Amino acid sequence: EDKVVQSPLSLVVHEGDTVTLNCSYEVTNFRSLLWYKQEKKAPTFLFMLTSSGIEKKSGRLSSILDKKELFSILNITATQTGDSAIYLCAVEAAGAGSYQLTFGKGTKLSVIP
Amino acid sequence: KAGVTQTPRYLIKTRGQQVTLSCSPISGHRSVSWYQQTPGQGLQFLFEYFSETQRNKGNFPGRFSGRQFSNSRSEMNVSTLELGDSALYLCASSVDAQETQYFGPGTRLLVL
Repeated sequence: EDKVVQSPLSLVVHEGDTVTLNCSYEVTNFRSLLWYKQEKKAPTFLFMLTSSGIEKKSGRLSSILDKKELFSILNITATQTGDSAIYLCAVEAAGAGSYQLTFGKGTKLSVIP
Repeated sequence: KAGVTQTPRYLIKTRGQQVTLSCSPISGHRSVSWYQQTPGQGLQFLFEYFSETQRNKGNFPGRFSGRQFSNSRSEMNVSTLELGDSALYLCASSVDAQETQYFGPGTRLLVL
């Protein structure tokens, strides 16, 4: 059974801190790993990672994938209160002609002023 | 471009009833996936449709079913509702299986 584990489950930091969120996985027929940010509504897409060692960056957020060790990290630098959210990691596995996303339970990040 | 839309946004039902949720994907997207989100289980995959065919299905009982129409709009049906079916049901669309999914706002279902 495909499995995605995120750590920590929750995190409280002060504005300006840098945080690292972790995602490890065990899936058959890995295709890609995705990061989502979920506030009070549906998840919004952050990154899709398919290749090891290539950092994806968007403003203060960055992410990297290690396909050998089966994990990914999401970094947020100079955190702001608007970064408070649940960050979800999902792994896409290929099936016969289709695919399936398996999500981790998420990391709840709280950024306090 | 309009995003993924889901109707209704909120729904209250009683045990034993059935419910139908609707999802309209982003224009041009042919793949529609459904997810259930609960505090205890997180996001769980229900099923995925592409060109009116169910291509993949998660580990949910047969009470959960869906369909997709020729215009790519999709519906999800849950019959004989149970208290544990109370959840946020999310729909996501993508151009095809290899593309990024974009989520709708969800339908929050409460079963009393």
